[in-house]
Amino acid sequence: KQEVTQIPAALSVPEGENLVLNCSFTDSAIYNLQWFRQDPGKGLTSLLLIQSSQREQTSGRLNASLDKSSGRSTLYIAASQPGDSATYLCAVRPSNQGGKLIFGQGTELSVKP
Amino acid sequence: NAGVTQTPKFQVLKTGQSMTLQCAQDMNHEYMSWYRQDPGMGLRLIHYSVGAGITDQGEVPNGYNVSRSTTEDFPLRLLSAAPSQTSVYFCASSYSFFVPGGRTGELFFGEGSRLTVL
Repeated sequence: KQEVTQIPAALSVPEGENLVLNCSFTDSAIYNLQWFRQDPGKGLTSLLLIQSSQREQTSGRLNASLDKSSGRSTLYIAASQPGDSATYLCAVRPSNQGGKLIFGQGTELSVKP
Repeated sequence: NAGVTQTPKFQVLKTGQSMTLQCAQDMNHEYMSWYRQDPGMGLRLIHYSVGAGITDQGEVPNGYNVSRSTTEDFPLRLLSAAPSQTSVYFCASSYSFFVPGGRTGELFFGEGSRLTVL
């Protein structure tokens, strides 16, 4: 059974710091991996999608990498800002389970001014 | 494009009442799904659909019904609400990755429907 784990559960950093959020999954048979951002009381906003054949994706100050063989993905945030404060979730789409997406529990990020 | 639209945004029910959460998308996505989000439990899949007329159960389907008569709409029905169904419900959609040579499968979420069952 595919399981997704995100460590740490919470992270607090000063503004301007570069940071890395981690996501690990137990089964490498995935179709893609997606990173989301969720603000309090809001829905999930898609940040980056990495297909299983890709190694990384970049969008602005965000860079996500994927290493299927080790079951790991990282989300790198450069020059963090207070507006980056949110919960970040990763989710994998297993290649053998139809349309299901398996989510991690998320990392709650707080960027202090 | 409105994206994924959920209604209502807030609802309070009494135990035993029934209701339908509406979800509509205007992106011509084949795949639609319903999740519930609870503190400490994360996001859990309730039901999903890979196209009109096709639905399947997710991780926590009990107490919920779905149907998919059109590509655009995917309503979630609570037949007899229970306090354990108090949660935030999210609808999400994407292009189906089953389409040969198809599109990416990126999942888009609605803003959520907050349901309280007393």
